[in-house]
Amino acid sequence: EVQLVESGGGLVKPGGSLRLSCAASGFTFSSYTMNWVRQAPGKGLEWVSSITGSSGYIYYADSVKGRFTISRDNAKKSLYLQMNSLRAEDTAVYYCARDCEGSTSCLEYWGQGTPVTVSS
Amino acid sequence: QSALTQPPSASGSPGQSVTISCTGTSSDVGGYNYVSWYQQHPGKAPKLMIYEVIKRPSGVPDRFSGSKSGNTASLTVSGLQAEDEADYYCSSYAGSNNFGVFGGGTKLTVL
Repeated sequence: EVQLVESGGGLVKPGGSLRLSCAASGFTFSSYTMNWVRQAPGKGLEWVSSITGSSGYIYYADSVKGRFTISRDNAKKSLYLQMNSLRAEDTAVYYCARDCEGSTSCLEYWGQGTPVTVSS
Repeated sequence: QSALTQPPSASGSPGQSVTISCTGTSSDVGGYNYVSWYQQHPGKAPKLMIYEVIKRPSGVPDRFSGSKSGNTASLTVSGLQAEDEADYYCSSYAGSNNFGVFGGGTKLTVL
């Protein structure tokens, strides 16, 4: 059974940093592109960042470029999102999601999400 | 990275059919057959319902179907049931520089 479990969310002051983690199980982690998607309170979904299986290709949304860094450790079957220079508008639930097999920009499995609140 | 355009709301009675549209551009929806649809119930993570425009993941009822014409993709829910009441989001691949983009979401109400 595929499982994605996020952790690391919490309350942080504007300008602060936070590192999110996503522990994966139930599939060959290194074979899949992994993604972070966020959802601000009462708002829609926003694609934040993606990383291919070998970390050879990385994508960031313009809203986080230069502030967030995605990475993965295939040996530990873990995905990370380092978030620096956090702003109030980064407040959201952050989901870890796995790509569909053999497809692209298709998010087949999702974690339960970890909430991030940026506030003084 | 402009969001795709969805109607904010849609509704139908049990047993009826409802179609939700998702309009993009030739750089996303119209340029690739990588349109997906997600269902999200309150407080839950999104669930993939349709991918590659028309394909259904295992376990998704065949009451859910997808299509595309030009720059507009559509999700049709036939034989509406109470449990179909949820928010629905479309997404599309938008090229190697933009990767993925979501629509603003549509709240489906079963009357």
